[in-house]
Amino acid sequence: GAGVSQSPSNKVTEKGKDVELRCDPISGHTALYWYRQSLGQGLEFLIYFQGNSAPDKSGLPSDRFSAERTGGSVSTLTIQRTQQEDSAVYLCASSFLGSGSYEQYFGPGTRLTVT
Amino acid sequence: AQKITQTQPGMFVQEKEAVTLDCTYDTSDQSYGLFWYKQPSSGEMIFLIYQGSYDEQNATEGRYSLNFQKARKSANLVISASQLGDSAMYFCAMREGWGDMRFGAGTRLTVKP
Repeated sequence: GAGVSQSPSNKVTEKGKDVELRCDPISGHTALYWYRQSLGQGLEFLIYFQGNSAPDKSGLPSDRFSAERTGGSVSTLTIQRTQQEDSAVYLCASSFLGSGSYEQYFGPGTRLTVT
Repeated sequence: AQKITQTQPGMFVQEKEAVTLDCTYDTSDQSYGLFWYKQPSSGEMIFLIYQGSYDEQNATEGRYSLNFQKARKSANLVISASQLGDSAMYFCAMREGWGDMRFGAGTRLTVKP
């Protein structure tokens, strides 16, 4: 079956531009997560969607970052007025919270480079 | 405060030997889950093993086992019979209740031939 997909795989943008990153979770998964991973670093939690509940936005680093999840499926992470420190790999994951372990399945990531 | 602590930035192990990667966590919840993920140089995140806070037995998955010491809040990953393909970054993570998952900083494991 299809796993988590993300697009684009790579994005190069100029400082100050807005970017949109897309995540298609595994069909039927109720939870969706966004993380950021800077070069050689661990995963930084950004935002978490669970069903129809209000998202947990506690990890968003600034108000330039926002995310939405339409129809409980596809999610878009938007970064406005990008800065060079936004350069990182943005990882999306989904899970089905009805299973025993609530394991997260990760997408391949979007590598964002801000020049 | 850090929820997940991995104190070993890098580890080396000889091929075919066993290695333990350390992980400690901090939570006041009674219900939580502990996870280990492997991230090879390709960048993908690969789920390895899970331990629930109420599980009395240590989790095992093939060559991976999780040494769960609840009172010490420790969830170390043991890899037996290391292989060259085990060289990667390893991340410990915790989920509290139904919440999000928080990751440690990772340990880079290098397996020497």
